[in-house]
Amino acid sequence: AQRVTQPEKLLSVFKGAPVELKCNYSYSGSPELFWYVQYSRQRLQLLLRHISRESIKGFTADLNKGETSFHLKKPFAQEEDSAMYYCALSGFYNQGGKLIFGQGTELSVKP
Amino acid sequence: EPEVTQTPSHQVTQMGQEVILRCVPISNHLYFYWYRQILGQKVEFLVSFYNNEISEKSEIFDDQFSVERPDGSNFTLKIRSTKLEDSAMYFCASSDEIQAFFGQGTRLTVV
Repeated sequence: AQRVTQPEKLLSVFKGAPVELKCNYSYSGSPELFWYVQYSRQRLQLLLRHISRESIKGFTADLNKGETSFHLKKPFAQEEDSAMYYCALSGFYNQGGKLIFGQGTELSVKP
Repeated sequence: EPEVTQTPSHQVTQMGQEVILRCVPISNHLYFYWYRQILGQKVEFLVSFYNNEISEKSEIFDDQFSVERPDGSNFTLKIRSTKLEDSAMYFCASSDEIQAFFGQGTRLTVV
């Protein structure tokens, strides 16, 4: 079965603390993994794709095929990072569009 | 920057009525999608559309639903005979074959 699991509904940290948002997946083929972010009252927007291996706004995520995980990390959280974060996967040749989402994790960064 | 636009932002309808949710995808994109998010649940894929036909649909997308690209710019989701459980946020997305860009969503409330 194709599934994305984000075990934490809410993650609350203080500004400057490290952050790790967990994501595990189940997929039979070669998946492409994404992190989407939704700031308050804004649309879903792409934060990271595993295939591009880049760091956006200080966030990184490494695909671990052995553990079927794609955890999102940032060494020093900022208040403006407060948002809903969704891990998602698609098939490798799915034009980036047909996505299976996790439940989402709300990140709250306190001053 | 080009955006996916959805109208209306909020629609209230009586149970049993038909609704049409409208989307204007990014102009040079060829792949279009509808998702929904019931309150407190995950974002779920409904349907993908390419080359003027449905390319994939989920189990949720039954005969009650239909999609159309009536002209060169709009992409619509029609829900016939709405039920209370159709109340959700509906997201349109379009893809440039690399990533999906989401609209801001239409909140559908069936009363």
